[in-house]
Amino acid sequence: KQEVTQIPAALSVPEGENLVLNCSFTDSAIYNLQWFRQDPGKGLTSLLLIQSSQREQTSGRLNASLDKSSGRSTLYIAASQPGDSATYLCAVRPKNYGQNFVFGPGTRLSVLP
Amino acid sequence: AAGVIQSPRHLIKEKRETATLKCYPIPRHDTVYWYQQGPGQDPQFLISFYEKMQSDKGSIPDRFSAQQFSDYHSELNMSSLELGDSALYFCASSSLWGAANTGELFFGEGSRLTVL
Repeated sequence: KQEVTQIPAALSVPEGENLVLNCSFTDSAIYNLQWFRQDPGKGLTSLLLIQSSQREQTSGRLNASLDKSSGRSTLYIAASQPGDSATYLCAVRPKNYGQNFVFGPGTRLSVLP
Repeated sequence: AAGVIQSPRHLIKEKRETATLKCYPIPRHDTVYWYQQGPGQDPQFLISFYEKMQSDKGSIPDRFSAQQFSDYHSELNMSSLELGDSALYFCASSSLWGAANTGELFFGEGSRLTVL
């Protein structure tokens, strides 16, 4: 069974810091990995999608990497801003467990002004 | 660009009542998912449909059922509601297969169900 974990569970940083969020998954047989942002009571917004054949994706201040063989992905946020405060979730689409996406528990990020 | 549309956004029901949630996926997406998210929890997969056929089933209670219609919209029917069913219910859609499809998952804004 595919399991996804995220470290840390919560993170509080001052504005302007660069930070790294970690995502680990137990089965490397995946189609892709996706990072989402969720604001309280809101839907999940897609940030970055990395296909299994890719090593990284970038969008603005965000960079996500994927090391499929070790079952790890990192989301790097440069020059953090208070508006980045949200919960960040990663999800993998496994090859061996139907079409469902498996989510991690999320990292709750607070960026202090 | 069109997004995933869910209705209603908020719903209040009494115990043992029935509720129906609707989802309109992004046009030309072939797969629809339903997720349940309780307070402080990550989304829990309920059920999915590929080209209008049920494709995968997660932790969906027997009191719940879902279907996808010919116009690709989907409905989640919840009967004999319990207090524990209070949650955010998300619909998501994706285009999984085909050379031009990335498999990216897009979520709607969710339907908040409160059971009193």
